[in-house]
Parts: sequence; structure tokens; C-alpha cells
Amino acid sequence: RKEVEQDPGPFNVPEGATVAFNCTYSNSASQSFFWYRQDCRKEPKLLMSVYSSGNEDGRFTAQLNRASQYISLLIRDSKLSDSATYLCVVNMGGTASKLTFGTGTRLQVTL
Amino acid sequence: EPEVTQTPSHQVTQMGQEVILRCVPISNHLYFYWYRQILGQKVEFLVSFYNNEISEKSEIFDDQFSVERPDGSNFTLKIRSTKLEDSAMYFCASSGRDSYGYTFGSGTRLTVV
Repeated sequence: RKEVEQDPGPFNVPEGATVAFNCTYSNSASQSFFWYRQDCRKEPKLLMSVYSSGNEDGRFTAQLNRASQYISLLIRDSKLSDSATYLCVVNMGGTASKLTFGTGTRLQVTL
Repeated sequence: EPEVTQTPSHQVTQMGQEVILRCVPISNHLYFYWYRQILGQKVEFLVSFYNNEISEKSEIFDDQFSVERPDGSNFTLKIRSTKLEDSAMYFCASSGRDSYGYTFGSGTRLTVV
């Protein structure tokens, strides 16, 4: 089983649509969870951390279910500028701890 | 906003040659990392570095790879004898004490021919 698994997409949605991405992780000892955004041939950039209580940042809502080892990202009112690859990322915790990335889900927002 | 700087942005090298990829992490960060991303694939961890020594390394980080912090500001990744399959984007990252402030550099695209 892959450490972090995501649907690769692509998801093609019209502007203004709501889109949801899902992710599962295999290691139940994982400590922290993130969604990163990656534009073509650019570095990953932190979109938001993910907490069990759920958290929201503007049009973006992230949720974590530790029992199911499942992470989600909801984007409301999609903009053209949201077109990118969204990476689910897990951290085992501890000092100098590595990030484990999913393969990413590609989103294309169209007019 | 502080950033992680990587040079060069693109390097082309012949198979068997040595390359050194350079990074300047954020100045008050304590932990340094190298990741790579082969075209079309996921970002993969190579190595973490703290207190002037390797903290953790992946299976990818074999004897042809080495890291160094030669002067207190630069953090380098050396590939001793490059192979075609080393062609990838190499990202440097640094983080603060809590490992939450991860910041990635813009990457070096390495092409081995």
C-alpha cells in the first residue's frame, strides 16, 4: 500500500464550482498533515495544515479523520488561479522529520 | 518574506560527471533537507541534516550522494557520478525548531545526458 495515496485526476471544473480532493495515508503513527500546492515545474508551497477539528482558510476547508486515516480538501467558488496540482503531505513528527508526499491531484479550472 | 535560495536553476551534465547543487536556507532555520522530483512523479525525500550531521536518509540517498554545510550558510548536495536516472528537479528545504515552518527553494532542474 502506498504511504500517501491520492486520485491523480485531472479534475476539470468550471469557474465557481466546488471541488473536493481526498487522500489516505498508511502509517497510523503520522503526526501532522498538510495540503501543498504545486504549479507546473515549481516548488511545493504550503496551502494549509490539516487538523482533526477541521480548519478553514477562505475558500479552502481541510479535514482529517485519524480513525479512517483520511484527509480531505474542499475548494469552494473555484478560480482560474486555483489550477494546479494539490499534494497531500504527511509528517511523522519529531525533529528534522521528513515529509511524505502523495502523487498529487491535478485541478484544471476553466471558464 | 524569507526564502530558500537554490543555484543553479538548471544544470546539464554528462553521465559520470560530478555535480554540486547549492542551497542557502533561511538564516535562523536549524533543519535542512533535500528532496527530488522526477518528471511526472511525486516529491521524494532524500536526506535531512541537523547539527552538522545527517539525521535521516532515504534508500535513494546511496553512496554517490553526499551533503555538506561548508560555511554555516550554504547547504550543498553532491552527486559523485551522475546517472541518467538522476535527472530530476532537486528541491532544498529548511525548517525551524518545530519542523512546521518548512520552506522549499525553487529547485534545481538537473538533466543528465
